[in-house]
Amino acid sequence: EVQLVESGEGLVQPGSSMKLSCVASGFTFSNYGMNWIRQAPKKGLEWIALIYYDSSSKYYADSVKGRFTISRDNSKNTLYLEMNSLRSEDTAMYYCAKDNSGYLDYWGQGVMVTVSS
Amino acid sequence: DIMMTQSPLSVAVTPGESASISCRSSKSLLHSNGITYLSWYLQRPEKSPQLLIYQISNLASGVSDRFSGSGSGTDFTLKISKVETEDVGIYYCVQFLEVPYTFGAGTKLELK
Repeated sequence: EVQLVESGEGLVQPGSSMKLSCVASGFTFSNYGMNWIRQAPKKGLEWIALIYYDSSSKYYADSVKGRFTISRDNSKNTLYLEMNSLRSEDTAMYYCAKDNSGYLDYWGQGVMVTVSS
Repeated sequence: DIMMTQSPLSVAVTPGESASISCRSSKSLLHSNGITYLSWYLQRPEKSPQLLIYQISNLASGVSDRFSGSGSGTDFTLKISKVETEDVGIYYCVQFLEVPYTFGAGTKLELK
């Protein structure tokens, strides 16, 4: 059974940093691209980052480019999202999702990030 | 960026009846490889999004065949037949042709 379990939830002040993790199981993690998607409270879904299976390419939404970094450790079956210079508009539920080369077939349960003073 | 426009934004359906949701993209989602990268997701209340349909009309594993997708190019439709209580939630179309991947605003399905 495919499982994606995010962690790192919390409340932080504007301008600070935070790192999210997503531990994968039930599939060969090193064979698949992975994504982060977020959802602000009572809003729609926003894709924010993609990393290829071998970390050879990384893509970001303009809203997070230069502030967020996606990375992975295939030896630990873990995906990361390092978030710097956090803003109130980054407050959202953050989901990791498995990329099946053209669609996202499995999503984690999500972790809540709140940016507030 | 490719813009995804869904309609309606909300729909109320009597259990047992059908519902249709439309999605339009600002650019054709047909890749040169012949695949059209349009998917549909359902987000039930307080849950993560769940894949329903990928590449226009392919049913995801474990998804009821009451769900079906159709369309081509820039115009797509999700049809839900014999709506059940468990179908309540927000439906999103999304394009995976190019980054940034973009989602429609969502269509909220409620029961009458």
